[in-house]
Amino acid sequence: AQKITQTQPGMFVQEKEAVTLDCTYDTSDQSYGLFWYKQPSSGEMIFLIYQGSYDEQNATEGRYSLNFQKARKSANLVISASQLGDSAMYFCAMREIYGGSQGNLIFGKGTKLSVKP
Amino acid sequence: NAGVTQTPKFQVLKTGQSMTLQCAQDMNHNSMYWYRQDPGMGLRLIYYSASEGTTDKGEVPNGYNVSRLNKREFSLRLESAAPSQTSVYFCASSEGAVLNTEAFFGQGTRLTVV
Repeated sequence: AQKITQTQPGMFVQEKEAVTLDCTYDTSDQSYGLFWYKQPSSGEMIFLIYQGSYDEQNATEGRYSLNFQKARKSANLVISASQLGDSAMYFCAMREIYGGSQGNLIFGKGTKLSVKP
Repeated sequence: NAGVTQTPKFQVLKTGQSMTLQCAQDMNHNSMYWYRQDPGMGLRLIYYSASEGTTDKGEVPNGYNVSRLNKREFSLRLESAAPSQTSVYFCASSEGAVLNTEAFFGQGTRLTVV
């Protein structure tokens, strides 16, 4: 079974609108961390935001926020006021301490976001 | 402020040739990783090194070997390249298997095996 599932291979959003990228995860650990990375067409991996399993509040970083629903095991990325520069691949990732991934980051397959002018 | 440096950026190999991908980090991180990225597959872990002197297999280790030369450097070797190893390879590092530490990535190596 996949540890990280991103069900949207591709998404379109109009410039200045908000968009939600879905991520669900599978773990039996109580302690884990969830990450989102952005990969623009130039190829580098850019860390966006982190949410810990014990964090009571949803993480926010500028225009990025993480909609964390622990019971549903989902960690959706919300981008507000989309910009053309937000067009990229977005990856959700998880780190477990005690699970089979041995503390390593496990990635989903990604969602390609295209922002339309 | 180099972060994680990978070389080379691009490489074309013939089937059966060998090569080593080099990676170095200047952040004094304990953990280092090699991932491969294929279309529609996300990033998959090849090998990792939790600390200097240790290495372990990840999800897709077949056909690869690694060396953690010192705390800074972690190399990936393809002994006999195959077309199935055509991919983009990323080296990454992090402070360790600590929950809230993100991984920092190199720029990637685009490898084509013909």
